Amino acid sequence: DTGVSQDPRHKITKRGQNVTFRCDPISEHNRLYWYRQTLGQGPEFLTYFQNEAQLEKSRLLSDRFSAERPKGSFSTLEIQRTEQGDSAMYLCASSLGVRAQETQYFGPGTRLLVL
Amino acid sequence: KQEVTQIPAALSVPEGENLVLNCSFTDSAIYNLQWFRQDPGKGLTSLLLIQSSQREQTSGRLNASLDKSSGRSTLYIAASQPGDSATYLCAVSTRAGNMLTFGGGTRLMVKP
Repeated sequence: DTGVSQDPRHKITKRGQNVTFRCDPISEHNRLYWYRQTLGQGPEFLTYFQNEAQLEKSRLLSDRFSAERPKGSFSTLEIQRTEQGDSAMYLCASSLGVRAQETQYFGPGTRLLVL
Repeated sequence: KQEVTQIPAALSVPEGENLVLNCSFTDSAIYNLQWFRQDPGKGLTSLLLIQSSQREQTSGRLNASLDKSSGRSTLYIAASQPGDSATYLCAVSTRAGNMLTFGGGTRLMVKP
């Protein structure tokens, strides 16, 4: 397994457009996380899935944001009516969810620029 | 609300020096603590994970310690190399499966 992958790696869009990002976790990992990182800051938690169930959502995740993980495999994060403030790196991570093996492994991220 | 602080924000050292990066957190009821490395424009690479019941973890030239009662962790890097130049991030979780709360990172530069 080659690790967590994310697609696309870069996205430039105009304000008001919708964008969708995809994350493929490490295959046996049942937990999947989305984070957002702005320049010079640490990542901030957005949402978390265990298998296909979305168990937690941050207050950062406004109603313009929606995430899914159908069948507990890959996940998508959609942002509707993008705003310039949505410009950031969107990071996906996965973990095995077994005690003492809970390291979160991160993908390379999707860098979003909203013009 | 858990808050994580990393000091210093930036550090520049000559090659070969041993160095310590600091991380503090406000809520001592953590589940685990992770240290990550991030190269510019890239994702995060996990370095070490310390369970709440552990005091330290070691991997090669890296040693991370955890003092829950005082809300502190340190990452010790021995014999630093230019390839160690990156941003180092500390993150804590407060229960199994929970989100990670990150510090702002320490930007390390090791000069040849």
